[in-house]
Amino acid sequence: DVVMTQTPVSLSVSLGGQVSISCRSSQSLVHNNGNTYLSWYLQKPGQSPQLLIYKVSNRFSGISDRFSGSGSGTDFTLKISRVEPDDLGVYYCGQGTQYPPYTFGAGTKLELK
Amino acid sequence: EVQLVESGGGLVQPGRSLKLSCAASGFTFSNYYMAWVRQAPKKGLEWVATISTSGSRTYYPDSVKGRFTISRDNAKSSLYLQMNSLKSEDTATYYCARQYTYFDYWGQGVMVTVSS
Repeated sequence: DVVMTQTPVSLSVSLGGQVSISCRSSQSLVHNNGNTYLSWYLQKPGQSPQLLIYKVSNRFSGISDRFSGSGSGTDFTLKISRVEPDDLGVYYCGQGTQYPPYTFGAGTKLELK
Repeated sequence: EVQLVESGGGLVQPGRSLKLSCAASGFTFSNYYMAWVRQAPKKGLEWVATISTSGSRTYYPDSVKGRFTISRDNAKSSLYLQMNSLKSEDTATYYCARQYTYFDYWGQGVMVTVSS
């Protein structure tokens, strides 16, 4: 199974600041068809997870351009710029390339400084 | 608007069974793979099961294989998860989700507690 490792475990940020979250996979996430199925989710306090980014860098419908995804192979990054209060919560990466099983990272908690 | 509404959770004793349901609306249910994802208290996300559009193909991780069964009724736009031989480690919030190679819409979740 592909292991997804997220760093850091938690992150403190000032409103208006910028943060980056790293996600590394134990195997390449490049599918035989050339696509890379790495996605990012945010779970706000008391809510269900929501999709932010799919296929490394594609923002889901309605997601602000303050969120950007990048990376390739086994190394991926989520960047959040001009952090707002509504961005706080736990961020998860997930892979659908080496599936089943679909695997998630352990999460990165974004808090206010 | 896509909506996924889970039901059927509750407190159940170890070894017993429980069936979760998910009512879908706002999209053509029969065109999409569907999945269940769970989250143990204060823990991360764990994929539990996926079913193809027709229901002919199902997928499970080893942790639930042989105990859980995912099914669907396209005529009712409904997804199900039959959970047998429940263990304490199955205690979690269970989310119904629409699936591509990612999960784009999630329900609000339903809590399942396995305890004597």
